[in-house]
Amino acid sequence: AQSVAQPEDQVNVAEGNPLTVKCTYSVSGNPYLFWYVQYPNRGLQFLLKYITGDNLVKGSYGFEAEFNKSQTSFHLKKPSALVSDSALYFCAVRDYGQNFVFGPGTRLSVLP
Amino acid sequence: NAGVTQTPKFQVLKTGQSMTLQCAQDMNHEYMSWYRQDPGMGLRLIHYSVGAGITDQGEVPNGYNVSRSTTEDFPLRLLSAAPSQTSVYFCASRGTGENYGYTFGSGTRLTVV
Repeated sequence: AQSVAQPEDQVNVAEGNPLTVKCTYSVSGNPYLFWYVQYPNRGLQFLLKYITGDNLVKGSYGFEAEFNKSQTSFHLKKPSALVSDSALYFCAVRDYGQNFVFGPGTRLSVLP
Repeated sequence: NAGVTQTPKFQVLKTGQSMTLQCAQDMNHEYMSWYRQDPGMGLRLIHYSVGAGITDQGEVPNGYNVSRSTTEDFPLRLLSAAPSQTSVYFCASRGTGENYGYTFGSGTRLTVV
């Protein structure tokens, strides 16, 4: 069965520093990978996706993610964090049945 | 604005009561789903639909019913509310095909007392 792990419940980073939010996955077949962000009292918003092609995927708000097939990882990155990036981040994989399996989420806090 | 609309935003129920969470989308998406979000557990799929007239169970379907009479609407019914159903509920829709991600509604925060 497909699964997604986000090994860190919380990530703290200083404003201006690079950030990484980790995600690893388990899926049979080719992975379709997504990152979503959730701000307080809001629904999830799409950030970026990997379907095929370049391993480095660029998305909204300056975020990017690197697909690593050998490590089954899809880490979310940003070169310079903003306080406004503070939110809950979810990694997701689309399974063979076309449903999405979400990770438990990682809370990012960017400190001024 | 185009998107997924959920109502109500907040609801308090007594144990044993029933209610329907409404979800509507205006993007002509075939695929719609209901998720519940609980702390530390991410989002878990309750029910989903791949088109009008077609529904199926997800990971945690017990205590919930759905129907899909039109492409636009996908209501979620709680048959007899239990405290374990206290959660935040999200409806989401997407187009079919490999490239489509979900568009989410803003959520319904449900408390069962």
